[in-house]
Amino acid sequence: EAQVTQNPRYLITVTGKKLTVTCSQNMNHEYMSWYRQDPGLGLRQIYYSMNVEVTDKGDVPEGYKVSRKEKRNFPLILESPSPNQTSLYFCASSLRAGSTDTQYFGPGTRLTVL
Amino acid sequence: KQEVTQIPAALSVPEGENLVLNCSFTDSAIYNLQWFRQDPGKGLTSLLLIQSSQREQTSGRLNASLDKSSGRSTLYIAASQPGDSATYLCAVPRSGGYNKLIFGAGTRLAVHP
Repeated sequence: EAQVTQNPRYLITVTGKKLTVTCSQNMNHEYMSWYRQDPGLGLRQIYYSMNVEVTDKGDVPEGYKVSRKEKRNFPLILESPSPNQTSLYFCASSLRAGSTDTQYFGPGTRLTVL
Repeated sequence: KQEVTQIPAALSVPEGENLVLNCSFTDSAIYNLQWFRQDPGKGLTSLLLIQSSQREQTSGRLNASLDKSSGRSTLYIAASQPGDSATYLCAVPRSGGYNKLIFGAGTRLAVHP
């Protein structure tokens, strides 16, 4: 089944404890990105990747890192999480970079930073 | 800067009603517009994607229209069912940003039996 998977789905952590949220797609998509969703602010893009080893900042990249060593994986890294990073996170992918192809979203990861 | 607005923010209707969700955008130079459904714990599911050259797209009981010149799209849901209860989001690619989507805040729909 074609899908975008994220792990973990739920995570409660404490300020400053490094964490990684994984994202994987099995559709051989070039483009992958991370969004966060907050009440009243909607979905905002954190980082995106046009292909392997090509990543760039979105609208709200502060406090986050990403890597794209393989085409299928695009992990989101919080080196020192803070309470303002409590949010619902979505990974998304689409077939071609620089296109307007349909985007496919993962199920979301709900993160709480205490 | 592209901004996307959805009205109403929430809607509660009895089963069987036909309903219309609205989406407006400020920059009419869009490549396409996409409607998503968001269910709690299940992420976003793409419902319909309308290319800028199209005026309508249909999928089952859903019909989406696009009027680029007025910066508006509507999602029409026919004969609503309790299973349609979800949040509906519209999104457009950022001008020059292709893959990057700009989302509206969504319309939270509740269909009661």
